[in-house]
Amino acid sequence: GAGVSQSPSNKVTEKGKDVELRCDPISGHTALYWYRQSLGQGLEFLIYFQGNSAPDKSGLPSDRFSAERTGGSVSTLTIQRTQQEDSAVYLCASSLRQGPDTQYFGPGTRLTVL
Amino acid sequence: LAKTTQPISMDSYEGQEVNITCSHNNIATNDYITWYQQFPSQGPRFIIQGYKTKVTNEVASLFIPADRKSSTLSLPRVSLSDTAVYYCLVGDMGGSNYKLTFGKGTLLTVNP
Repeated sequence: GAGVSQSPSNKVTEKGKDVELRCDPISGHTALYWYRQSLGQGLEFLIYFQGNSAPDKSGLPSDRFSAERTGGSVSTLTIQRTQQEDSAVYLCASSLRQGPDTQYFGPGTRLTVL
Repeated sequence: LAKTTQPISMDSYEGQEVNITCSHNNIATNDYITWYQQFPSQGPRFIIQGYKTKVTNEVASLFIPADRKSSTLSLPRVSLSDTAVYYCLVGDMGGSNYKLTFGKGTLLTVNP
């Protein structure tokens, strides 16, 4: 079966522009996670979805960041008015259910803000 | 949220057993310990997960002492392809705290 997929794989944008990053989780996985990884840094948790609901959005770094999930499947992470410090690899993961379950990661989207 | 501490880097040679220790002094009762592996330009890959004592799978073993304040990932007979960053994650993925954080990880370099 297919794993977690993300698109685009690479995105180069200009400062101030909006970007949308897409995540397709493994079919049937109810939990979905967004992380960010900056060069030389560890993974930073952004947001968690259970179904279409995000119980806690406190990991989002600013109000320029938002995310939604529809149909309990695809999720979109939107960054408005991008800044250079937003440059990072954005990773999506999904797990079968809430709880201590294995998270399966996608290949990530490398975002570069010029 | 339990903070984790692991070595920044480790060096080994092919065929050796490698042990990477992670400290998590503030681990909570409901927290599980999970290890991931990450190669360059790829997302992290699950290796092993445990709560206490010892867990073993086809890839690695995880040793957790009774106080659970640390854990050790053991990789038997490493090969060059095991060169990667290894992350220790401690969290309650079923509780009310969804804010899981990975540290900087341990860069394991396996030499010929």
